[in-house]
Order: sequence, then C-alpha cells, then structure tokens
Amino acid sequence: AQRVTQPEKLLSVFKGAPVELKCNYSYSGSPELFWYVQYSRQRLQLLLRHISRESIKGFTADLNKGETSFHLKKPFAQEEDSAMYYCALRPYSGNTPLVFGKGTRLSVIA
Amino acid sequence: KAGVTQTPRYLIKTRGQQVTLSCSPISGHRSVSWYQQTPGQGLQFLFEYFSETQRNKGNFPGRFSGRQFSNSRSEMNVSTLELGDSALYLCASSLAVGGTNIQYFGAGTRLSVL
Repeated sequence: AQRVTQPEKLLSVFKGAPVELKCNYSYSGSPELFWYVQYSRQRLQLLLRHISRESIKGFTADLNKGETSFHLKKPFAQEEDSAMYYCALRPYSGNTPLVFGKGTRLSVIA
Repeated sequence: KAGVTQTPRYLIKTRGQQVTLSCSPISGHRSVSWYQQTPGQGLQFLFEYFSETQRNKGNFPGRFSGRQFSNSRSEMNVSTLELGDSALYLCASSLAVGGTNIQYFGAGTRLSVL
C-alpha cells in the first residue's frame, strides 16, 4: 500500500530563513507527487506537482526516487507562507485516489 | 468558473442520526472525491465517483455511502452517526480524463456529532 509520511507536525522558522518541509513516501512504482497548502480560513489548494518542475510562490520540490522523498523548499520564508502543508501521492496506475500525508503546520515568525 | 460548492457548511447531529452532505463540482468536472479530515488522521479518502459510478473506495465502514447524479453533483450519506464521525468533510472535483488529474477542493462541511 502507498504511504506518505510528513515527519514534522509543526515547523517554526524566522522570516527570511530557509524552509524545508519533509515528505517521504513508500510506493514500489513511479508515483505522481503533489504539495497542497491550506491557508487560514481558506480551502485546500494545489501548490505544486513534481511533473511541472515549477516554482510557485518561491517554493520548489524535487522528486528523489532513490530516497523516496519529495521535500518542499523555499530559500527565504515569508510571514504569508504560514499555513498547513500536505504532501500527496498518486500511483501512476490510472485513476487512483490521492494518498495524503498528515500535514505539517508551518509557522513563520516575524 | 465557480469553485466547488459544499452545503451545508456546518452541521450538528446527535449519535444515531443520519446526515447527507452535498457537493457541486466545478462546471465540466466529472469526477468527485470525498475526504474526511480530522486533526489526528489528516485527510482520509472516502470514495470517488465518476459519471455516476463509484470508481474508488477508501477504507471506511458501510455507514458511509455516496452517489453522483447525471449533472455530476454528488452527495454523501452517513448513517447511524458516531461521535468519531465528527470531522471536516471535503469534496474535490477534477476533470479525471487522462494525464494528471488536479483536484480542486471545496471549503468543506464541518460535522459535529454530539
């Protein structure tokens, strides 16, 4: 079975400091990986996906198949980055549901 | 386009009652998925409907059921409510046609079981 692990429930960083939100997965095949974000009083929304290889709001994430990781990074944290972040996986085997990690709450301190 | 709409936003029920939640997907989206979100377990997949058929099902008891109508709107029903069913129920819609399916989430229905 697929599993997504986000080892940190809460991550606090100072404004301007680098941020790394960890995500590890277990899946024997080639997965599709996503990061979703939920800001306070807003709905869950897609932040980025690994196949796009894009930077959104300064965040990037690289799929490391050897380490089965998909860590989310940003070089300089901003206060508006404070939110709940979820890593999610979908197996590349058709229309299968997303499997979410339990989330990491990022708090950026001014 | 209007986003995913879930109604009602809040519900208070008592143990043993049943409840029906509604989800209207983004226009043109044919897939609707339901998730239960709790502080302890995070987001857990309930089921997915596509073209009025249940395509995937999570590991929840039979008290949780759903359906999808011809206009892609979906409902989920929970019968014989238990205290542990208190959660935020999220609905997500997607095109679900080949390639990468990006899910768009509704604001959720917060269910409190007393």
